[in-house]
Amino acid sequence: DTEVTQTPKHLVMGMTNKKSLKCEQHMGHRAMYWYKQKAKKPPELMFVYSYEKLSINESVPSRFSPECPNSSLLNLHLHALQPEDSALYLCASSQDQFRSGNTLTRTLHFGNGTRLTVT
Amino acid sequence: LAKTTQPISMDSYEGQEVNITCSHNNIATNDYITWYQQFPSQGPRFIIQGYKTKVTNEVASLFIPADRKSSTLSLPRVSLSDTAVYYCLVGVASGGSYIPTFGRGTSLIVHP
Repeated sequence: DTEVTQTPKHLVMGMTNKKSLKCEQHMGHRAMYWYKQKAKKPPELMFVYSYEKLSINESVPSRFSPECPNSSLLNLHLHALQPEDSALYLCASSQDQFRSGNTLTRTLHFGNGTRLTVT
Repeated sequence: LAKTTQPISMDSYEGQEVNITCSHNNIATNDYITWYQQFPSQGPRFIIQGYKTKVTNEVASLFIPADRKSSTLSLPRVSLSDTAVYYCLVGVASGGSYIPTFGRGTSLIVHP
């Protein structure tokens, strides 16, 4: 069990579908992250939210749309995906966002991910 | 940019000590080094974190030399359940922020 909960665990969608991935944490963390992980590769950062505002977008295509309704929830809206978008999508949280000069310990707490298959 | 380099894979046997080294030549002055463990189809799990010298917890030790250009994760007396991918993570500076960036990871296989 993890302190970051992701739903659904598995998702299969067609290229014309619209779906959403959800992530929830109740640790009082103020930074939340979306990572994408392809098979046998490291997690790659997609988005960072800090205090419910989008802080970092790593040049992610617009077919991925993040949303942070409140400090505990993080969504990733999916539309018109491609088969190559199939991957494990991981959500993480941390006490605060990593910042220059910020010496808070930078520990990421991950959920177990959503395995997405685009057909 | 601070990036990391790790061996791609390692093999060991039950009961042995395993040391995995990560190079991070351009680590920022105030950045920490964090190690994660990941099993298939699960999210990475925090193992240990340090800034300098040696840190030890109930599962691992982390050795960081004075120049902080590398770090070594030490797993004492590994078991089959330690078979996993191990990542070291540092922050990559970008516009005043640090992007937590994973290295390629080391796939550890523990044999009976």
